[in-house]
Formats: sequence, structure tokens, C-alpha cells
Amino acid sequence: EDQVTQSPEALRLQEGESSSLNCSYTVSGLRGLFWYRQDPGKGPEFLFTLYSAGEEKEKERLKATLTKKESFLHITAPKPEDSATYLCAVRSAGSNYKLTFGKGTLLTVNP
Amino acid sequence: KAGVTQTPRYLIKTRGQQVTLSCSPISGHRSVSWYQQTPGQGLQFLFEYFSETQRNKGNFPGRFSGRQFSNSRSEMNVSTLELGDSALYLCASSLDRGENTGELFFGEGSRLTVL
Repeated sequence: EDQVTQSPEALRLQEGESSSLNCSYTVSGLRGLFWYRQDPGKGPEFLFTLYSAGEEKEKERLKATLTKKESFLHITAPKPEDSATYLCAVRSAGSNYKLTFGKGTLLTVNP
Repeated sequence: KAGVTQTPRYLIKTRGQQVTLSCSPISGHRSVSWYQQTPGQGLQFLFEYFSETQRNKGNFPGRFSGRQFSNSRSEMNVSTLELGDSALYLCASSLDRGENTGELFFGEGSRLTVL
């Protein structure tokens, strides 16, 4: 069974203080690792898809990286508007039509 | 391009009642998935439909059911509601690209409260 663990559960940063969120996964045949951002009362918003170890994707202050066992979401010089819950999910060869999500990291960026 | 639309956004029901939630996917997307989100369990997969066929189902009791219509719109139904069914129900659509099925695009959800 696919498993996704995210850490930390919550992270509080000062504006401009860079940090990283972790997503560890156990799957049988990775078919994609996905990062989403979710604001309160909203549905998750797609950020990145990573397919193979060594792959990296960037978008504004966010950079996602992937190894064979984990993914990191690096946040450089965050701003208060980056405050949200960040979700990691995987799709595996054994369950191609569903995503297995971690429980998320709640990021708060103080001005 | 319009996003995924879910209705209703909020609803309150009592135990034992049933509820039907609706989802209109992004135009051109033929795959529709449903997820339940609760504070304790996070996002959990309910089922996925493509061309009116259910391709995968999560570990939920038979009280949870769904269907997809020929225009790709989908509905899910929960019968004999329990207090534990209170949750945010999220619908997501995607382009089906075969083995590497693409990313999911989520609606804003239907917030169900069971009293």
C-alpha cells in the first residue's frame, strides 16, 4: 500500500526566512509525485509534478526536488502570501487512477 | 477556461438522510475523481470515473456511490448519513494521458455537515 509522510506538520517562518518541507514516500512503481497548495476553505491548487529521481521544478519562490525516497519543497525568501497548507501526493503503478496524499504541512509566514 | 465546479458548496443534513453532490469538470477533461477531506485523515480517495466507467474505488463503505454522465459531469451520493461523514468532499478532473495520467485539478469542494 502506498504511503506518504510529510514533515513538519506545521512550520512558522519570518518573512524572508528560507526553509524546506519534506515528503517521504513508499510506493510500488512511482508514476508521479505531486505538490499542491491549499488555502483555507478552498480546494488544493496544483503546483508541480515530478516523475523521476533527480528531477527539479521551480515556480517563483518554490522549488521541488525528488529522490528515490523523498521530495523536498524549498521555499526561498517566503512572503506572507505563501502561507497555506502544502500537500504532497503520489501516484503508483499499482493504482494509476488515484493519488495517495500526505496530511500536509501548514506553513505560516509572519511579516 | 472555467475550472472544476462543485455544487452545492455547503449543506447541512441529519443522520440517516442521504445527499447527492455534483461536479462539472474542466472542459475536455474526461477523468473525474472524488476525495473526502477531514482534519484527522486528510485527503482520502473515494472513486475515479472515465467515460462513465468507474476505474478505481477507495476503501469506503457501500453507502458511498458515484456515477459519471456522457458529458463527463459526475455525481456522488452518500446514503444513510452518519456523523463521521461530515467532511469536505472534493472533486477533481484531469486529462487522461494513459500510463502517466496527468495532474488533478480540484474544485472548491462541498462542505457537508451531518447533525
